[in-house]
Amino acid sequence: AQSVTQPDIHITVSEGASLELRCNYSYGATPYLFWYVQSPGQGLQLLLKYFSGDTLVQGIKGFEAEFKRSQSSFNLRKPSVHWSDAAEYFCAVGQGGKLIFGQGTELSVKP
Amino acid sequence: DAMVIQNPRYQVTQFGKPVTLSCSQTLNHNVMYWYQQKSSQAPKLLFHYYDKDFNNEADTPDNFQSRRPNTSFCFLDIRSPGLGDAAMYLCATSRPQGASYNEQFFGPGTRLTVL
Repeated sequence: AQSVTQPDIHITVSEGASLELRCNYSYGATPYLFWYVQSPGQGLQLLLKYFSGDTLVQGIKGFEAEFKRSQSSFNLRKPSVHWSDAAEYFCAVGQGGKLIFGQGTELSVKP
Repeated sequence: DAMVIQNPRYQVTQFGKPVTLSCSQTLNHNVMYWYQQKSSQAPKLLFHYYDKDFNNEADTPDNFQSRRPNTSFCFLDIRSPGLGDAAMYLCATSRPQGASYNEQFFGPGTRLTVL
């Protein structure tokens, strides 16, 4: 069965530091991959997506992610974190119109 | 701007009192989804509509029902809310065109409290 794993439940980084959130998936075919962000009490906002082509994808708010088929990973990165990036981040695989979510990673940002 | 709208944003109901949550969209997407999200968890798909075709997830309790009177609107009915149904309810849409079928657009959610 398809699955998505986000190994880190909670990450704390200092403002201005770089960030990498990990995501591993289990999926037989070429996956459709997504990163969503959720601020407290809000819905999910799409940060970026990978369907095909260039394995390094750029998203909104300065985020990027790299698809590595050999590692079954789609890690999210940002070179310099801002306090407003504190939120919950979900990695997801899309299949047949349904999303399979990871457990989420809560990001805290220290001043 | 095209968007997914959920009303109300906050809903308080009493144990056992039926409640209806509303979702509307201006994206003209064929597919609409309802998710339940409890604290510190990923969203859990309850059901979805592909046009008028209703697709229930196997583990969605019978207490949850849905209606889609037209393309723009979709409703979630909870017939007899229990304390365990207190959660954030998210509506999402997608358009069934190739890979984009998998890209979902979410509303802001309705926070349901059951007293």
